[in-house]
Amino acid sequence: AIRMTQSPSSFSASTGDRVTITCRASQGISSYLAWYQQKPGKAPKLLIYAASTLQSGVPSRFSGSGSGTDFTLTISCLQSEDFATYYCQQYYSYPLSTFGQGTKLEIK
Amino acid sequence: EVQLVESGGGLVQPGRSLRLSCTASGFTFGDYAMSWVRQAPGKGLEWVGFIRSKAYGGTTEYAASVKGRFTISRDDSKSIAYLQMNSLKTEDTAVYYCTRAGDSSGYYPHWGQGTLVTVSS
Repeated sequence: AIRMTQSPSSFSASTGDRVTITCRASQGISSYLAWYQQKPGKAPKLLIYAASTLQSGVPSRFSGSGSGTDFTLTISCLQSEDFATYYCQQYYSYPLSTFGQGTKLEIK
Repeated sequence: EVQLVESGGGLVQPGRSLRLSCTASGFTFGDYAMSWVRQAPGKGLEWVGFIRSKAYGGTTEYAASVKGRFTISRDDSKSIAYLQMNSLKTEDTAVYYCTRAGDSSGYYPHWGQGTLVTVSS
């Protein structure tokens, strides 16, 4: 099974900061990677798919990059509503899929 | 608008069974594969399983952690996907989400609100 490893597991940042979360796959997955945002008590929300394609309705301050095994999610200017937990997901092995362990973004 | 509504969660003893339902609306249910994803309390997301549309045989795939215990089925006439969970273990305690992928993709734009399953004596 393909393993997905995110870093960091958690960190603190301030409104207005630029932040980057990384996701590494245990084997090459081309660009079959998605990013989700989850807030407490809510279902995950799709932000980005195909590694860099912004889902409709998602603010342009979110961006994704990478291919193969290394990927990043960048938030260019943190807003208060962005404090949440973020997950990457590989779907290279579709229909089987795996998620990263999550990165919790907290307010500094 | 795509809507997915899970039901059937609750408290169940180890070794017992439970069936979850996912009622879909806003799209032609029979045209799409459906998946289940779960999240243990305070933990990350875990893909559970998948059922293809009838056009692709309606076959299923499962995570190793549930294979042989969980069964996914569908009733296209009612727009419902089911997750039958047998021989439940305490580690199956989680919120279970029903999901639908985008067209010809493996990522999930559509999620239900989730239903909590607690396995405890």
